Amino acid sequence: EDKVVQSPLSLVVHEGDTVTLNCSYEVTNFRSLLWYKQEKKAPTFLFMLTSSGIEKKSGRLSSILDKKELSSILNITATQTGDSAIYLCAVETGGYTGANSKLTFGKGITLSVRP
Amino acid sequence: DTGVSQDPRHKITKRGQNVTFRCDPISEHNRLYWYRQTLGQGPEFLTYFQNEAQLEKSRLLSDRFSAERPKGSFSTLEIQRTEQGDSAMYLCASSLTFFYEQYFGPGTRLTVT
Repeated sequence: EDKVVQSPLSLVVHEGDTVTLNCSYEVTNFRSLLWYKQEKKAPTFLFMLTSSGIEKKSGRLSSILDKKELSSILNITATQTGDSAIYLCAVETGGYTGANSKLTFGKGITLSVRP
Repeated sequence: DTGVSQDPRHKITKRGQNVTFRCDPISEHNRLYWYRQTLGQGPEFLTYFQNEAQLEKSRLLSDRFSAERPKGSFSTLEIQRTEQGDSAMYLCASSLTFFYEQYFGPGTRLTVT
């Protein structure tokens, strides 16, 4: 059974801090790893990673995939109160033709940024 | 609006009743997915469509659940004889095709009393 584990499950930081969120996986037929941000609504897409070692950046957020270690990290620098949310890691698996493709999610990391 | 939409946003029903939810994907997205999310958990995969064909169903999808996507556009998810354990957020997502990022709708929160 495919498994995605995120850590820590929750953390509290102060505005301006830098945080690192972790995701590890054990799956069959890995295709990509995705990060989503979820506030009190549906998950919002952040990054999709397919290649090891290539960092993706969007403003203060960045993420990198390590296929050897079967893991990924999401970094947020200079955190703001608006970064408070649940951060979900998901792994897409499936055959080369897209058969049986699906996302397996971790439980999410609850980040609270205090002013 | 170019996002995924879902209707209704909230549904309260009594145990034993049938409910139906609708999802309208981003136009031109040929993949459509249904997920269920309970408190403190990430979304769990239920089923997906490639155009109008339902290609995979999770073990979570009991025979009380049925999903359709006629003509490869919007999709419906029906739950028959609802049980309290069905209470959850039902999320729909769409992607251009396989191995592209999935975009989620706002979800339908189901409460079974």
